[in-house]
Amino acid sequence: KNQVEQSPQSLIILEGKNCTLQCNYTVSPFSNLRWYKQDTGRGPVSLTIMTFSENTKSNGRYTATLDADTKQSSLHITASQLSDSASYICVVSSPALNTGTASKLTFGTGTRLQVTL
Amino acid sequence: SAVISQKPSRDICQRGTSLTIQCQVDSQVTMMFWYRQQPGQSLTLIATANQGSEATYESGFVIDKFPISRPNLTFSTLTVSNMSPEDSSIYLCSVEGPSYEQYFGPGTRLTVT
Repeated sequence: KNQVEQSPQSLIILEGKNCTLQCNYTVSPFSNLRWYKQDTGRGPVSLTIMTFSENTKSNGRYTATLDADTKQSSLHITASQLSDSASYICVVSSPALNTGTASKLTFGTGTRLQVTL
Repeated sequence: SAVISQKPSRDICQRGTSLTIQCQVDSQVTMMFWYRQQPGQSLTLIATANQGSEATYESGFVIDKFPISRPNLTFSTLTVSNMSPEDSSIYLCSVEGPSYEQYFGPGTRLTVT
């Protein structure tokens, strides 16, 4: 069964500190892996998207890594800010089965990050 | 990128009634998607809506409960019918960009009493 597991489930850190969120997946076939940030009461916003051949991608203070061999990904947040408080969702995409159909997304349950003073 | 708006942003409804959620995209897209996010859970795909054809529903979701319209390439509606408290969720629409990135609307927070 295709699954995406994230850890930790929740995390509290002090402003200015770094943190790393983990994502393990069993999805096959694999097309790409995405990290989203979801603020409370809002829709998810894409942070990074990585294909099989990419093992790191940055977006400002966010750096995602991907090890396609071990099926693991991480999201590293540098110098955290209060505005980083949100849920972070790992999503793995499988290719569309046919032309005109959508790729299949498997969502993790997210890591809820709280950044405090 | 695509900019997506949804109406209403939130609503409180009585059980047994129906609510129609609107989704507007600022560009023409072939496929639009409707998701449900129950409290504390991740997103679950309800259905895929293509313009000019019937929506494709995921396992566990049926057209009688969640009828969808897709009258043109920038607009879709999802109706939650005969609501019960179990339908209390955030409902999100999304579209897929040319590089397969997914853009989400802000969501509609539904509470059924």
